Amino acid sequence: QQPVQSPQAVILREGEDAVINCSSSKALYSVHWYRQKHGEAPVFLMILLKGGEQKGHDKISASFNEKKQQSSLYLTASQLSYSGTYFCGTGTGANNLFFGTGTRLTVIP
Amino acid sequence: GAGVSQTPSNKVTEKGKYVELRCDPISGHTALYWYRQSLGQGPEFLIYFQGTGAADDSGLPNDRFFAVRPEGSVSTLKIQRTERGDSAVYLCASSLTGTGSDYGYTFGSGTRLTVV
Repeated sequence: QQPVQSPQAVILREGEDAVINCSSSKALYSVHWYRQKHGEAPVFLMILLKGGEQKGHDKISASFNEKKQQSSLYLTASQLSYSGTYFCGTGTGANNLFFGTGTRLTVIP
Repeated sequence: GAGVSQTPSNKVTEKGKYVELRCDPISGHTALYWYRQSLGQGPEFLIYFQGTGAADDSGLPNDRFFAVRPEGSVSTLKIQRTERGDSAVYLCASSLTGTGSDYGYTFGSGTRLTVV
């Protein structure tokens, strides 16, 4: 039930944009996005519930395509603080989340 | 409390020993989750509680692993006869009530378990 994330790793210069994708083989009820910095706990970014919505705050946004069982996280005008590993977590309804293997994002000056 | 608290932060134990890992969730969060994370991997689901009951324990790898949440707040993950393969960071998370995936999770800082 583990979702697949791509790319596995990406390096950006400050100010560049990035897209991280998450896809599942199962019908999804929700998609969560988290960021984890080295040695720290994952931190919740946002949740998207089924309905094909798009969400965003600041320069980070996400979309959820229910029919394709996919979600994408968009980071625009990246900052050094965006560095970390991004995980999507997928929920199929009345249960917990299953997390992907992560996308390591490195932003350099 | 203000966040999810996990103790101990680090635990080194000998193969074959018994360990208990504790999680104190955010006050008012009825959902509690245990995950474990190995280096370079995403969190792997172990068990999910709604209130006092285990709503889903399908992620527990075998019968050496057991978790309780007797009063619907603090939870303890118990591992018997530890093996070197149990070494990982054990993460606890809590969220507001729901079906298990419709509220964001707040994670604790984890317990790093090393079995030698």
